[in-house]
Amino acid sequence: GNSVTQMEGPVTLSEEAFLTINCTYTATGYPSLFWYVQYPGEGLQLLLKATKADDKGSNKGFEATYRKETTSFHLEKGSVQVSDSAVYFCALSMVDSSYKLIFGSGTRLLVRP
Amino acid sequence: SAVISQKPSRDICQRGTSLTIQCQVDSQVTMMFWYRQQPGQSLTLIATANQGSEATYESGFVIDKFPISRPNLTFSTLTVSNMSPEDSSIYLCSVSDRGNTEAFFGQGTRLTVV
Repeated sequence: GNSVTQMEGPVTLSEEAFLTINCTYTATGYPSLFWYVQYPGEGLQLLLKATKADDKGSNKGFEATYRKETTSFHLEKGSVQVSDSAVYFCALSMVDSSYKLIFGSGTRLLVRP
Repeated sequence: SAVISQKPSRDICQRGTSLTIQCQVDSQVTMMFWYRQQPGQSLTLIATANQGSEATYESGFVIDKFPISRPNLTFSTLTVSNMSPEDSSIYLCSVSDRGNTEAFFGQGTRLTVV
């Protein structure tokens, strides 16, 4: 079946450090890929998305590229801030599954001043 | 993007009781979903709420435990029935429109069963 695998957390970085959170997927077909962010005590917010191979999603300095050859959608940011501390979820959806989201396990990011 | 209001935002309930969670959207949407997020875990889909018909449940979730209503295209409820401490979770409503791959989430309902 379809699935998403994320790197284990927590990830602890100093402010202005470079961030990479790895995400790989397994899917029969061509999924849409997403990164969602959950700040403490809040619901999920869509951070960025990509709907086809080689698409790059970007938002708030975060980027992720849909790599079909490696079935990956790694999240990157060049310089993290304390306010980026949150849990990040990689997810996929399929048209033939009525756009239901399948989530990875989530990666907690802690950015220290 | 759709604005989703979920009520209540949190509750503490006695075991054996039931809680109904409401999800209101500010526009008509095709798809509505209910997810569960157990403490420190990822999100798991409970069911798809279908307007005017029975919800479609995922493996491991049953209608008797999680009855769902969707009377129109902007509103849905999820009931957590006969609660036990294992039901302590965050329950989230999500919406999307057919043909639009994006899904949006409510703020969630944090349920604690004692």
